[in-house]
Parts: sequence; C-alpha cells; structure tokens
Amino acid sequence: DSGVTQTPKHLITATGQRVTLRCSPRSGDLSVYWYQQSLDQGLQFLIQYYNGEERAKGNILERFSAQQFPDLHSELNLSSLELGDSALYFCASSVTETGTSGYTFGSGTRLTVV
Amino acid sequence: QKEVEQDPGPLSVPEGAIVSLNCTYSNSAFQYFMWYRQYSRKGPELLMYTYSSGNKEDGRFTAQVDKSSKYISLFIRDSQPSDSATYLCAMSLDNYGQNFVFGPGTRLSVLP
Repeated sequence: DSGVTQTPKHLITATGQRVTLRCSPRSGDLSVYWYQQSLDQGLQFLIQYYNGEERAKGNILERFSAQQFPDLHSELNLSSLELGDSALYFCASSVTETGTSGYTFGSGTRLTVV
Repeated sequence: QKEVEQDPGPLSVPEGAIVSLNCTYSNSAFQYFMWYRQYSRKGPELLMYTYSSGNKEDGRFTAQVDKSSKYISLFIRDSQPSDSATYLCAMSLDNYGQNFVFGPGTRLSVLP
C-alpha cells in the first residue's frame, strides 16, 4: 500500500456522462498530481494542486476539471465522456510543491467509457 | 520523434539473468532521470532517481545516465520473478513534477 488512496478502482460509464474520481494523498503530502495512462499515450500529466491551489496544468481537456479540498483530498471531474477517455487515471502525491525526488502514485482508477 | 523512447518489449529473461532496460531521449536539457516500476493493476513505484550523468546503485539495481548519448539504462542483477513488471523511465529539465516526461514503458518477464 503506497499510502495514496484512489476510488473507485473501476468505473464503467456511457458516452456523454460525467464521473468524479477521488484521491487521498499520503499523510503529510501537500501536492497532488493527476495523470492519464493509456496504451498508446503512456503517462500524461493532467494537472497539479499544492495545498489547495492549482499549480500546473498539462494536457488536460476543457471537459476535465479538478480541485483540491481543505483536507487535501482531490477530485478529478470528467464530463461529456467520449470513448477515447477510457484509460487508467492515476494520482500521485509529494510533500513538496516540486515533487523533488519523485512522488508516490496511487493504484489508479480504470475508466471504461462504452 | 517522441521525446522519450523505450522498447515496449515484452522482454523475457530466465531467473538470475542480468537485465538491461534502456531509454533514449531527444531533449539534451533533461537533467533529472528516474526509473519507475509498475506492476499490473498498480501505480508506478519510484525505483531510482538520479541527477545529471553517472551511475547510481541501489541493491540489485543500477541506473546509468549518459547525457552525451542521450541514453539512460537500468540494470537489474540476479533478476527474480518478482521483478516481472513494466519499467518506465522519466526525465525532466528541472525538479518540477509537472515537467516529468515519461517513456511508454518496457514490459519485463522473468521466468522461473
């Protein structure tokens, strides 16, 4: 157990729907990163929050949004889902804002859009 | 050309073999280099983290960085079936996590 908790583990939904993925960072970690992993694209950085504030944005679609709450858990909202959004979604956490020395990943949420 | 390339494998080796996993990259400004191990249905787990060129050893694992060739390697000595996983390299210009660029991963199978 890495200490980073992601729920749900699996999610199957239809095109056009909206889902929320949840991440609880490791105790003491203030920074949360969201990644998408698909077979053809590898791990793609989506967005980072540090202590409740957005710090960096990567290749995140406008249909996707995220936030980090005062208790430091984070949610990734995916709306108007398309078949191509099917992927593994990981969050990772680190103590520092920069992710010095790497960071710790959760076990991911497998999203299947049908 | 992708920024970071890895042979996807699968790479199959017998137990006890020395495994060499490699990544090539195109951006000569990368300075931070990492190797992650990802078991099936799990998130990536950091194995090695190095800065600039040179070697770093940790138990059975050795990471090498050759910046002049834009090539990094991970060696696994005395490989075990428990090493069977996908190995991802990652690299960055700076130490900011959002700038880490991940390779697609190499799938390794160590056969008993």
